[in-house]
Amino acid sequence: AQKVTQAQTEISVVEKEDVTLDCVYETRDTTYYLFWYKQPPSGELVFLIRRNSFDEQNEISGRYSWNFQKSTSSFNFTITASQVVDSAVYFCALSEAIGNDMRFGAGTRLTVKP
Amino acid sequence: EPEVTQTPSHQVTQMGQEVILRCVPISNHLYFYWYRQILGQKVEFLVSFYNNEISEKSEIFDDQFSVERPDGSNFTLKIRSTKLEDSAMYFCASGNSLGELFFGEGSRLTVL
Repeated sequence: AQKVTQAQTEISVVEKEDVTLDCVYETRDTTYYLFWYKQPPSGELVFLIRRNSFDEQNEISGRYSWNFQKSTSSFNFTITASQVVDSAVYFCALSEAIGNDMRFGAGTRLTVKP
Repeated sequence: EPEVTQTPSHQVTQMGQEVILRCVPISNHLYFYWYRQILGQKVEFLVSFYNNEISEKSEIFDDQFSVERPDGSNFTLKIRSTKLEDSAMYFCASGNSLGELFFGEGSRLTVL
């Protein structure tokens, strides 16, 4: 079965610092999908990105960027010039097929201080 | 922007009572899910639903749980006889053909 590890339980940074959230995954499938979700203090789960296993291109979306490396089974998330509104719990997740169980990591709580 | 809506936002119930949590998924999505999150813990998969039947379920989803899509729009989770440990936030999600899941705001269940 698939497994997602987010080793960083909590990270605290000062506004405008860059921060990288780590995600390491395990799966026996050659085709799989990786995700990042944000859970702000209000509690909802906000979709950030989806990545196919066969697409290793890194992606940038504004201040957010994702580094997918199959060789190390990692899918790390970097926030550049962090802001207080980035404070949230961030979850990495993996699904081995569309429609199947999406397995979440334990989450990393990011606190951005002014 | 289309969104997943869940009701109720918070339900308090007595142990042993039946609870139904309701969800309206995004209209053109084909995959539906229930997840739960015990306070401060990880998000756990309960069940996925496709083509009017359960496609996968976790070990948490025992005989006390059931799901239904009674009218082609609502997607419900029923807990037949609630236990204290069922207290959690329950999230409904709907998924598109790309495998992207969009979550509702959650229904907080408190079992006393």
